Amino acid sequence: QSVLTQPPSVSGTPGQRVTISCSGSRSNIGSNFAQWYQQVPGTAPTVLIHTNNQRPSGVPDRFSASKSGTSASLAISGLQSEDEAEYYCATWDDSLKGYVFGTGTKVTVL
Amino acid sequence: EVQLVQSGAEVKKAGESLIISCEVSADSFPTYWIGWVRQMPGKGLEWLGLIYPDDSDTRYSPSFQGQVTISVDKSIRTAYLQWSSLKASDTGTYFCARAFGGSTGWLDFWGQGTLVTVSS
Repeated sequence: QSVLTQPPSVSGTPGQRVTISCSGSRSNIGSNFAQWYQQVPGTAPTVLIHTNNQRPSGVPDRFSASKSGTSASLAISGLQSEDEAEYYCATWDDSLKGYVFGTGTKVTVL
Repeated sequence: EVQLVQSGAEVKKAGESLIISCEVSADSFPTYWIGWVRQMPGKGLEWLGLIYPDDSDTRYSPSFQGQVTISVDKSIRTAYLQWSSLKASDTGTYFCARAFGGSTGWLDFWGQGTLVTVSS
């Protein structure tokens, strides 16, 4: 059972903007940087966002993220069919002394 | 570019032992933590722990402490994940990944995953 809670699914039409929330606590998101990973079915996850809102090179600027208090959020603007994937938030948890992933959100492009 | 190449799929019986590997193609191998992540069929990601190749310092998730062993052979740039007695509940895909920014950092490069199937 994950300590980071995400909605199970979000959906949108091509070109729309969707957001995914990630709710944590003081010992994880409240105290450490948040990351977001994208996992296309059948493949390994890839880092989409690190250090709360930083995109690695190669990640389109359609993806943006923010953090406030004990929550984080990921936004996808101009939704595209290739964005269909599972998305996970993640961070270090000081109480558990381990890296924790969110419950995961499946993004569907209608 | 950094590449992590994992060993192939395994099919085992409950009670058997297993070791899977993760070879890292990077000169910087000894100075980055290498972590392991489990994904059970149809489920989310779970962090097992990580190891610092330069001195073999190892950290485990409390959920996996005592259930698996993480090790490394610095000379061949390879990290390992080992079970002494598999259970059916160990079935899943296991990913290795490099941690950037220290032991609490994000996972910037990932292996392709190793599918472990354990029958009871």
